[in-house]
Order: sequence, then C-alpha cells, then structure tokens
Amino acid sequence: DIQLTQSPSFLSASVGDRVTITCRASQGIASYLAWYQQKPGKAPKLLIYAASTLQSGVPSRFTGSRSGTEFTLTISSLQPEDFASYYCQQVNSFPLTFGGGTKVEIK
Amino acid sequence: EVQLVESGGGLVQPGGSLRLSCAASGFTFSDHYMDWVRQAPGKGLEWVGRIRKKANSYTTEYAASVKGRFTVSRDDSKNSLYLQMNSLKTEDTAVYYCARLWVNYLDFWGQGTLLSVSS
Repeated sequence: DIQLTQSPSFLSASVGDRVTITCRASQGIASYLAWYQQKPGKAPKLLIYAASTLQSGVPSRFTGSRSGTEFTLTISSLQPEDFASYYCQQVNSFPLTFGGGTKVEIK
Repeated sequence: EVQLVESGGGLVQPGGSLRLSCAASGFTFSDHYMDWVRQAPGKGLEWVGRIRKKANSYTTEYAASVKGRFTVSRDDSKNSLYLQMNSLKTEDTAVYYCARLWVNYLDFWGQGTLLSVSS
C-alpha cells in the first residue's frame, strides 16, 4: 500500500499568513494526488486535484505543487474561513489512501 | 444541484449487520463511479470501497480492512448507492460518507451517516 505522510499534523497561524502543508508518498504516484479541506462536522471538500489543478470555485490563494514524491499545498494568505483540517489523497493505485491530516488553527 | 444524502446509520452490536444507503440527485448517477469513505471519531479519512458503472460491469474495489465483510452495490434505476456491512467490529465505528468520482477524484460528498458498533 502507498503511505502518505502529511506534515505538520497541526499548525497554528494568523490571518494573512502563508501556510505550507506537505504530503510525502512512500512510492511514486505521478501526479495522482488530491487535497481536501474539511471543517468540523462537515464533509470534505475537493480543493486541488492532479497535484496542482484548482477545483472550480476554489479561491486562487490555494495552490498545489509536486516535486517527485513530495507534494505541497500552499495557502498564500490565510483567511478566517481557511481554518480547517486538510487531507491529501493518492488515487494512483488501490487501496486509495489518505494522509493523516493537518489541522490549521488560529494563533 | 448535486446532492448525496446518506442514511441508515445507527447503533449495532459487534457481529451485526447494517446497510447504508446514499440517495443521489442533480446529476446522471449512472455515469459515475461512486466511493465510500469513513472517518472514525476524531480521526482521519479512510477510503472504504468503490463501485464502477455499468459500462465497467459494476466492478468493485475494497480496503483490506473491510474486504470480505462489506459490499458496495448500486441501483441506477433508483439513483442509489449502498454499503452492506456484515460482521461489524467496534473499529468500524465511524461517519460514513458516499462520494461521487469525477475523473479520478471525489468532487462531491454527502453529509455522512454515523455508525456506532458497540455492545
């Protein structure tokens, strides 16, 4: 199975901060990676797919990138509505797997 | 508007069975693969299983943790997705989400239904 190691698991940041979350795959997955945002008590929401393509309707402050087996989600200027948990998911091969999640909290 | 509405969750004893349902609307259900994903209380997301569409013979895939105990099925005439869960364990306690597959990604999710497995 492909393991996704997400870091950090928790981060505290202020409105306006630039935030970076990393997801490292245990083996090559090309660009078959998605990022989801989840707010408490709500379903996850697709933010980015194919490692770097922004889902329709998602603000442009969210960007995704890939370097080999390391993937990054960047929020350029954190907004109040961005305080949430974020998960990466690989869709390269079964079983599909998620990273452990990153909770972004208000500093 | 795309909508996915799960139902059927509840309290079940270990070893018991339950079937979850997911009612789809606002899109052509039969055109899409569908997944189930779960989330144990306070934990992360875990992919459970997938069913492909008719053109792909409704084939299925499962996580190792549920293979042989859970069955994903669908009824395109009713725009509905199902998850039959047998031999339930306490570690199956979670919110279960159904989600629509678009290309390779889960672009719409239901609100989830809670399954509690406890004696």
